[in-house]
Amino acid sequence: AQTVTQSQPEMSVQEAETVTLSCTYDTSESDYYLFWYKQPPSRQMILVIRQEAYKQQNATENRFSVNFQKAAKSFSLKISDSQLGDAAMYFCAYRKGATNKLIFGTGTLLAVQP
Amino acid sequence: GAVVSQHPSWVICKSGTSVKIECRSLDFQATTMFWYRQFPKQSLMLMATSNEGSKATYEQGVEKDKFLINHASLTLSTLTVTSAHPEDSSFYICSARPGGSSQETQYFGPGTRLLVL
Repeated sequence: AQTVTQSQPEMSVQEAETVTLSCTYDTSESDYYLFWYKQPPSRQMILVIRQEAYKQQNATENRFSVNFQKAAKSFSLKISDSQLGDAAMYFCAYRKGATNKLIFGTGTLLAVQP
Repeated sequence: GAVVSQHPSWVICKSGTSVKIECRSLDFQATTMFWYRQFPKQSLMLMATSNEGSKATYEQGVEKDKFLINHASLTLSTLTVTSAHPEDSSFYICSARPGGSSQETQYFGPGTRLLVL
C-alpha cells in the first residue's frame, strides 16, 4: 500500500527566510502524482504545487519549489522569502495515476516568525 | 477559477438527527467529487468517491448507510450523516475534479464543521 510520511510535525521560520518541508512516500507504481497542499487556519485546502512523476524537472510556483528525488521517493517543499501568510498546516499528498484517491501525510505545521 | 463551495460551513445538531452537507463546483463541471473527514490536528481521510449519476464508492471502514452520498448533477454532491451521534462530530471536506480526466487536480471546498450534541 502507498504511504506518505511527513517527519516534521512542526517547523518554524523567520520572515523572509527559506524553509524546507520534508515528505517521503512509498509506492511501487511508476505513474503517480505528488502534491503539496496548504491548510491555513480557515481550514480551506489550497493547492500549492503539483509534480508529475514522469517529469524530471522540479515544479516551481513563484516562491514555492519542490525537490523531487524519484529514486529516493522524496518530495520536499521549499518556501523562499517566507511571508506571514505562509503560516499554515502543509500536507504532502500522493495519487496513483489512474485513480482518484489522494493519500495525505500527517502534515507539518509551519509557523512564520516576524 | 476552480471554486468549490460547501454549505453549511458549520452545523450543530442533536444526537439522532440527520444532517445534509452540500458541495458545489461553482465554475466548472465535476464528474467526480470526493468526501473527506478530518479530525482535529489530523490528516484528511477519504470517505468516499462520488460520481455523477452513479453510486458512490466508499472507502473501507466507512458505513455507506450512515453516510449517504448523492451526486445528482455535475455541480452538486451531497453528504447526509444519518442518525448522527457525537462520534460523528468532525470536519467534513469535499473536493471536486474538473472534467473526466484522472490527471486533473482536485479542488477543495472550505469544509463543514459538524458538532453532534
